[in-house]
Amino acid sequence: NAGVTQTPKFRILKIGQSMTLQCAQDMNHNYMYWYRQDPGMGLKLIYYSVGAGITDKGEVPNGYNVSRSTTEDFPLRLELAAPSQTSVYFCASNPERASSYEQYFGPGTRLTVT
Amino acid sequence: GQNIDQPTEMTATEGAIVQINCTYQTSGFNGLFWYQQHAGEAPTFLSYNVLDGLEEKGRFSSFLSRSKGYSYLLLKELQMKDSASYLCAVADSNYQLIWGAGTKLIIKP
Repeated sequence: NAGVTQTPKFRILKIGQSMTLQCAQDMNHNYMYWYRQDPGMGLKLIYYSVGAGITDKGEVPNGYNVSRSTTEDFPLRLELAAPSQTSVYFCASNPERASSYEQYFGPGTRLTVT
Repeated sequence: GQNIDQPTEMTATEGAIVQINCTYQTSGFNGLFWYQQHAGEAPTFLSYNVLDGLEEKGRFSSFLSRSKGYSYLLLKELQMKDSASYLCAVADSNYQLIWGAGTKLIIKP
């Protein structure tokens, strides 16, 4: 199993550009999450999904959109990139809701907006 | 509001023992997690506590007191590879994880 994969690993965007961060998992997990991690800060939940076709906002959803058309894929869309979106983005998954199940993380995408 | 507090940085010596504390105030409690994160890498799961007491897993142990809103991660026989950030996270009433900012552990020879 590849686990959770993310592409790209690094990206530099200009202000106002758009991009999609890709995330895929091959563990047949129902739950998937997008986090951002800023230096010296805890992980912040952007969006999550409890299964194909179902998504919901997390703590910091503004400026982002997601879709979940399949169990495996959970892309994150940035529209009109802003410098405040410079961060490291992690995708994660687990089989059930985050009670006793650990979350499995992808390697991250390091995004710079200038 | 919801809040997780942990020390920003700690230093310890190779072979020694270190305790990393975490205090939390959350809306509901459905378990506490510890994750390890090496620089430039993704977090990886270390431990989970939902009942009071100590959970031991090899060189790592994690303790929870729900009445005090307190947990600690105990690392024994420290190795240089243990140099990393240690993240405390609490599952709230909606089962969403609330994360602390992490404790950077520096191991000196």
